[in-house]
Formats: sequence, C-alpha cells, structure tokens
Amino acid sequence: GNSVTQMEGPVTLSEEAFLTINCTYTATGYPSLFWYVQYPGEGLQLLLKATKADDKGSNKGFEATYRKETTSFHLEKGSVQVSDSAVYFCALFTGANSKLTFGKGITLSVRP
Amino acid sequence: EAGVVQSPRYKIIEKKQPVAFWCNPISGHNTLYWYRQNLGQGPELLIRYENEEAVDDSQLPKDRFSAERLKGVDSTLKIQPAELGDSAVYLCASSLEGGSNSPLHFGNGTRLTVT
Repeated sequence: GNSVTQMEGPVTLSEEAFLTINCTYTATGYPSLFWYVQYPGEGLQLLLKATKADDKGSNKGFEATYRKETTSFHLEKGSVQVSDSAVYFCALFTGANSKLTFGKGITLSVRP
Repeated sequence: EAGVVQSPRYKIIEKKQPVAFWCNPISGHNTLYWYRQNLGQGPELLIRYENEEAVDDSQLPKDRFSAERLKGVDSTLKIQPAELGDSAVYLCASSLEGGSNSPLHFGNGTRLTVT
C-alpha cells in the first residue's frame, strides 16, 4: 500500500538557519506529492505540491523537488523565520484510490 | 471565501456516550472528507463523499461510526458508543473534486476527549 515516511522530530532551529525536512514515499503508480502545514491553532493548509517527477513545488520561500529515483520529496528553506514554527506534513495522492496519505508530521520550532 | 467550518472545536464525553461532529464545506466543493488525527500522527481518512454519495468508507469503523451528507452539502460524523481509543482530532476537508489537482481545504478540527 501507499505510505509516507518523515524524519523524526521535533526540529529546533535558530532564525535564518537552513531547513531540510526529509520525506520519502512508497506508492503504486505515479503519485502527486504535497507538503501541508499546520500553524498553531489553525487547520491544515497546503504549502506546496508537485505532480510529476522532477517538478519543483515552491511557496513562501519553501521548496521541494519530486525525485522519483529516490522516491523523495524533501522540504527546504534557505532562511527560516520564527513565523515558520508549525507542524509540517508530507503527503501523497494517487488516482487509483483518490486518497491523500499523510506522514506523521514533524514539529518545527524556530528561535529568535 | 469562507473556509471549512467545523463544530464543536472541543468535546469531552464519557465512554459509552454518543457524540456528533458537524462540518460545513466550502461552497461549491463537491468532495468532502472526514479524517481522524491521533496524537503525534498524520491524519487518516475515514470517509470520502462525492456529493451525497459515500465513495470510500473502507476505513470507517462501521460498528460504531456513521456519517451522512444530506443534500450533498453539510455533513455529520457520529460515534455511538464512544470508546477511550476514539480520543483524537476529527478533521473535515473539502475540495472542488476528488482528483489531485483539487487541493484539500481543511477545517480547524474537533478535538474529542473520551474519559
């Protein structure tokens, strides 16, 4: 079945540090890949997505590249801000079952 | 546009009691999802509706959980009777349609505590 594996957290960084959050997946077919973010007290919201191999999704300074050869979709940001503190979820979607499968999520805390 | 609205935000009940959650999706969104998120885990799909039809309820524990989406708009999710292990956040989401090109919009969720 489909699954998403995220690196263990939590992650604590200082402001302006470089961020990488790892995500790998297992899926049948050709999934679309997503990063969702949940800010404190808010609902999940889409951060970025990529629908085919080698696509790069980007938003709010975050980027992730769909790597089919390594089945990965790592999230990166060159300089994090305190306002980026949130829980980040990697997810995949396949047309076979029209279902969004999430990873466990990782909590990011950014210190001033 | 107004987002997905869920109520209540919090609910505390004793085990064996019934509980119901309500969701109002974004206007015009045909697809509605109910997810359950256990502490420290990602959301897991319980049921998906296309309009008023439940097209995927394979993960819904049907012995105690039920859901409905009358008229293809609002939806309710019910648990009867609740068990301690049902404590979780119940998320509702909607999208224009069921494909990958229609991003899901989530509500803030209902946090259920069963004592």
